Amino acid sequence: SAVISQKPSRDICQRGTSLTIQCQVDSQVTMMFWYRQQPGQSLTLIATANQGSEATYESGFVIDKFPISRPNLTFSTLTVSNMSPEDSSIYLCSVDLGPKDGAFFGQGTRLTVV
Amino acid sequence: GQNIDQPTEMTATEGAIVQINCTYQTSGFNGLFWYQQHAGEAPTFLSYNVLDGLEEKGRFSSFLSRSKGYSYLLLKELQMKDSASYLCAVRETGGFKTIFGAGTRLFVKA
Repeated sequence: SAVISQKPSRDICQRGTSLTIQCQVDSQVTMMFWYRQQPGQSLTLIATANQGSEATYESGFVIDKFPISRPNLTFSTLTVSNMSPEDSSIYLCSVDLGPKDGAFFGQGTRLTVV
Repeated sequence: GQNIDQPTEMTATEGAIVQINCTYQTSGFNGLFWYQQHAGEAPTFLSYNVLDGLEEKGRFSSFLSRSKGYSYLLLKELQMKDSASYLCAVRETGGFKTIFGAGTRLFVKA
């Protein structure tokens, strides 16, 4: 199993500002994943964060809007830049330990942009 | 393209059995997962299928048919605490990238 500490757990931000979300894992993992979950909807993958290389972004998500850092094998950050109310969502980081254990998620960051 | 379909909502009675279906069309397949997500919480892993057939784990079972692009999650002896969203997810080939369905919200009534 894995324990993921994600913070902040929630924030209310002004439009035009940026928020950085942090995830700390209690073990070394090659890949970390960042998801967004709109209210009542499922998880949408934003990007895959690999240590030592640039993140891989999914269609519809760009680095300028969602810059990601992965300085080591236990830590990653996701920044939501130049926020607008449409960015209001829950953001989750995740690690995948293989098929027998599946994915583990952080507690999520509930972001509200006003 | 990638598409995972599951019913939006289901309602069942405490003590009963419920089956949640999932159909998928993905560019590759390297396993199917089911996750449970209670409101306001992160998803938690329930089951994994990569070969055809049934996997049983306590009150929960999951079935896969790769040729049909079909899976179901079976919950037995339903309890009130089983009220949650159930997410079907497919891992693509070549890595750990996982695509999630929209989820099925299950309501268990007394």
